[in-house]
Amino acid sequence: EAQVTQNPRYLITVTGKKLTVTCSQNMNHEYMSWYRQDPGLGLRQIYYSMNVEVTDKGDVPEGYKVSRKEKRNFPLILESPSPNQTSLYFCASSLSFNRELPLHFGNGTRLTVT
Amino acid sequence: AQKITQTQPGMFVQEKEAVTLDCTYDTSDPSYGLFWYKQPSSGEMIFLIYQGSYDQQNATEGRYSLNFQKARKSANLVISASQLGDSAMYFCAMREGGYSSASKIIFGSGTRLSIRP
Repeated sequence: EAQVTQNPRYLITVTGKKLTVTCSQNMNHEYMSWYRQDPGLGLRQIYYSMNVEVTDKGDVPEGYKVSRKEKRNFPLILESPSPNQTSLYFCASSLSFNRELPLHFGNGTRLTVT
Repeated sequence: AQKITQTQPGMFVQEKEAVTLDCTYDTSDPSYGLFWYKQPSSGEMIFLIYQGSYDQQNATEGRYSLNFQKARKSANLVISASQLGDSAMYFCAMREGGYSSASKIIFGSGTRLSIRP
């Protein structure tokens, strides 16, 4: 089944403890992206990747890191999480960056930082 | 700068009625794509419908149609004969056509639709 898989679904952690949210897609998509969803703000882009080894900042990159060493994987790293990073996170992918292509989303990761 | 505005935070509609969810956008790029996504209470994001800026006809997908008014920069989602399962959050999104700008897909703040039985 074609899908974007995020893990974990739920994560509770403490301030400053490094964490990684994994994202993997099995559709050979070139484009991958991370979003955070907060009430009243919709989805905001954190980082995106046009292809392997090509990543760039979105609108809210502070406090996050990403890497794209393989086409299928695009992990999101929080080196020192803070409470303002408590949010619902989505990984998404598309075949390429063509404007006609919709995003395929993972099921989301709900992160709580205390 | 590209921007998406959804002015209806929440809506209540009677089952079987049609409903229109508003979306306005702003872009200086003549080439762009507009999308609607549904997010049920379970949290996943489901792609509903796409409209290209050069498309002459309004997009339709089953009970979903897009009322695209290019001059007004609006792309309203119309759901005909609403069902209880349509209760969800709905997001409008835009993707510009240029190489670098197409990398950024922006979303509106969403409209929470509740269908009354």
